[in-house]
Amino acid sequence: DADVTQTPRNRITKTGKRIMLECSQTKGHDRMYWYRQDPGLGLRLIYYSFDVKDINKGEISDGYSVSRQAQAKFSLSLESAIPNQTALYFCATSDRTYPETQYFGPGTRLLVL
Amino acid sequence: EDQVTQSPEALRLQEGESSSLNCSYTVSGLRGLFWYRQDPGKGPEFLFTLYSAGEEKEKERLKATLTKKESFLHITAPKPEDSATYLCAVQGTGGFKTIFGAGTRLFVKA
Repeated sequence: DADVTQTPRNRITKTGKRIMLECSQTKGHDRMYWYRQDPGLGLRLIYYSFDVKDINKGEISDGYSVSRQAQAKFSLSLESAIPNQTALYFCATSDRTYPETQYFGPGTRLLVL
Repeated sequence: EDQVTQSPEALRLQEGESSSLNCSYTVSGLRGLFWYRQDPGKGPEFLFTLYSAGEEKEKERLKATLTKKESFLHITAPKPEDSATYLCAVQGTGGFKTIFGAGTRLFVKA
């Protein structure tokens, strides 16, 4: 079984809808991240969490929110989806050692119409 | 500001034709430089971490090298299964964040 799983794998939604992307991990890592990937751009950090009570904004957090339900679960919500949020979304985990190697989920392909 | 630039954007090789991918970086103190492989429809998969200039690491047909300003991913006698996007990333001593490049898409034709 995969160490980092994401659901759904693909999602089509309409402008203005609220959607949630979910991430679960079995690696036992404290740190979890949400990134988005757009063609021609590197992975950009949306939110990160170092433990259940520690949640922080990344470089592109506007329009997104997160919830860390447990050490193993980290969800990303789009409160009111807009077309420019169409992208690939990845969840990642890491342990506390530096430099941090990150382990990625398979991604969610989101299309906002 | 930490930055990573990868070149070329895309590279097309014949099977067996060796080449190199470039990753130029600026960072305020390097903790580590990472190489990841990403297949279509999948998440990035960790390949290597390099810590200091002069370091080299190898895995099958891949060898990563590091200088104070660049890293190279050398691919020797590539096979079609090496086709993927290769991502470079850095983590500096100024913070915990990992900065990713846009990647190089490698196509290897049989």
